[in-house]
Amino acid sequence: GAVVSQHPSWVICKSGTSVKIECRSLDFQATTMFWYRQFPKQSLMLMATSNEGSKATYEQGVEKDKFLINHASLTLSTLTVTSAHPEDSSFYICSAKKDRVADTQYFGPGTRLTVL
Amino acid sequence: AQSVTQPDIHITVSEGASLELRCNYSYGATPYLFWYVQSPGQGLQLLLKYFSGDTLVQGIKGFEAEFKRSQSSFNLRKPSVHWSDAAEYFCAVGASGGSQGNLIFGKGTKLSVKP
Repeated sequence: GAVVSQHPSWVICKSGTSVKIECRSLDFQATTMFWYRQFPKQSLMLMATSNEGSKATYEQGVEKDKFLINHASLTLSTLTVTSAHPEDSSFYICSAKKDRVADTQYFGPGTRLTVL
Repeated sequence: AQSVTQPDIHITVSEGASLELRCNYSYGATPYLFWYVQSPGQGLQLLLKYFSGDTLVQGIKGFEAEFKRSQSSFNLRKPSVHWSDAAEYFCAVGASGGSQGNLIFGKGTKLSVKP
């Protein structure tokens, strides 16, 4: 299999605080991980692409200083939402690929972030 | 630019009836095509994928999809729908040829199943 986990599955925080979301590939090494954001009843929007050991590539319109991504190992990527505001409330989903060429992405179960 | 269109926002079918979810894509080269299913509050589960070869691909849970290059379509089908199939279905296209493999998703089709 190819299992991807996310932690936490949901989080509620106060406005102005920072929140870290972890994405782990449990049974494979992920050279590339992706972070998506999904608004209610909407599709997934790619936020950034993260390759192990290098800086993340952010999609246009995504603030890299607000959404910090770290891919420190082949099984872990983290997304930190800094100084969160209510408009950052969303469902964040990560995915992972086994190698750099085009291949199947395996998705995590998602993290529901609510900023009060 | 790559794009994916799922024309149907919401479909309701009776349990036991057949199902077809439409997906059209726009991509200049040979696409990699995927169907994912998402239950409420959950992540995405891969149903099936097409990279090359046989244009009719079989997936999990009794789903299949057919790649039709002439129509730029990759429609998802199931001969007999079960109540547990009620979910959101996303079609996605990925870049081929050694790129990062970013996926472009359609807006999704919500499937409701009547008893």
